[in-house]
Amino acid sequence: DQQVKQNSPSLSVQEGRISILNCDYTNSMFDYFLWYKKYPAEGPTFLISISSIKDKNEDGRFTVFLNKSAKHLSLHIVPSQPGDSAVYFCAMTTDSWGKLQFGAGTQVVVTP
Amino acid sequence: IAGITQAPTSQILAAGRRMTLRCTQDMRHNAMYWYRQDLGLGLRLIHYSNTAGTTGKGEVPDGYSVSRANTDDFPLTLASAVPSQTSVYFCASSGSTGELFFGEGSRLTVL
Repeated sequence: DQQVKQNSPSLSVQEGRISILNCDYTNSMFDYFLWYKKYPAEGPTFLISISSIKDKNEDGRFTVFLNKSAKHLSLHIVPSQPGDSAVYFCAMTTDSWGKLQFGAGTQVVVTP
Repeated sequence: IAGITQAPTSQILAAGRRMTLRCTQDMRHNAMYWYRQDLGLGLRLIHYSNTAGTTGKGEVPDGYSVSRANTDDFPLTLASAVPSQTSVYFCASSGSTGELFFGEGSRLTVL
């Protein structure tokens, strides 16, 4: 039974527009939440994180939002760029940042 | 800067054979991890090691074993491969910041 769900397997967005990726979870004990980005034939790379004591964290074009009551995590990318085309995984943990539970991933395609 | 090196990059293996996936890091990170990535399931933790000489089980450890004889190396062994172990395997390490650094993956096909 998957505790972390990304219900949208793919997302297509125009360059310059906003990309919104969503992630839902069931375990209320998760206390660190992360987003990873993955290009084909490469390993995932860390993008941005948020702890359970916050509801928003920004890093340049990337903003992560956490709604603990709804058990919902989202990632906003503004503005979207062609280089953002990748698979995005949400991940979370009750323990260390290394022992993560991942969602299934969302393939983002940014079109010109 | 190499970071995490995994070998082999890709391998086709007959069911029942033994296979070891190699992982070496040059960042002197204490913690290392093995994940497998399957379509529709994301990445799942197989085994981990918080420091040299210690290992622990992750979410899907059955059929796999690991060892951590030193800081740099963390091999993953499939004692008798089965088709359900067909996957892409990622080794990762983390240091004091907690951030995971992943290798480029090993694609394993078990026939």
